[in-house]
Amino acid sequence: GNSVTQMEGPVTLSEEAFLTINCTYTATGYPSLFWYVQYPGEGLQLLLKATKADDKGSNKGFEATYRKETTSFHLEKGSVQVSDSAVYFCALGGRGSTLGRLYFGRGTQLTVWP
Amino acid sequence: GAGVSQSPSNKVTEKGKDVELRCDPISGHTALYWYRQSLGQGLEFLIYFQGNSAPDKSGLPSDRFSAERTGGSVSTLTIQRTQQEDSAVYLCASSLAGSRDEQFFGPGTRLTVL
Repeated sequence: GNSVTQMEGPVTLSEEAFLTINCTYTATGYPSLFWYVQYPGEGLQLLLKATKADDKGSNKGFEATYRKETTSFHLEKGSVQVSDSAVYFCALGGRGSTLGRLYFGRGTQLTVWP
Repeated sequence: GAGVSQSPSNKVTEKGKDVELRCDPISGHTALYWYRQSLGQGLEFLIYFQGNSAPDKSGLPSDRFSAERTGGSVSTLTIQRTQQEDSAVYLCASSLAGSRDEQFFGPGTRLTVL
């Protein structure tokens, strides 16, 4: 079946540090992959996505590359800011009989200190 | 334009009572989704409506849960005879169509069953 495993948090970094949040997936076929972010007191919003192998999604300085060979979609940012403090969710879009569903990881809480 | 809206934002109820949660999707979005976010289970898919097709109800946890979508727009999630384990944040999302498209999430309804 479909599932997503992401790095357990919380992650605490100083401003301008490098960020990696690991995400691996299990799926049949070639799912779309997403990173969603939930800022304090706000709803989930899409951060970036990739729809096929070797695609790189990017937004707001964050990047993730769809790696079929390692079934991974790790989130990276070269220099985090205090405003990046949020919960990050990796997600997979179902196919076939599970079309329409998003399968989410458990979320990783990121706190960035000035 | 207006995003996905949900009401109420908070609902406190007693065990055994029925509750109704409402979702107004983004105008023009044909797909509508319900998810549940809880500490123990993370983010779980509940149900998916796509246009006039029969909904995918396979994520509903028990027959106490039901949902309908009237006129292809507003959706109501109903939980009958609520239990304490139903306490969670219920999230609604909508998209243009299919799982390759970004799902836009509402702010959620926090349900507390006493």
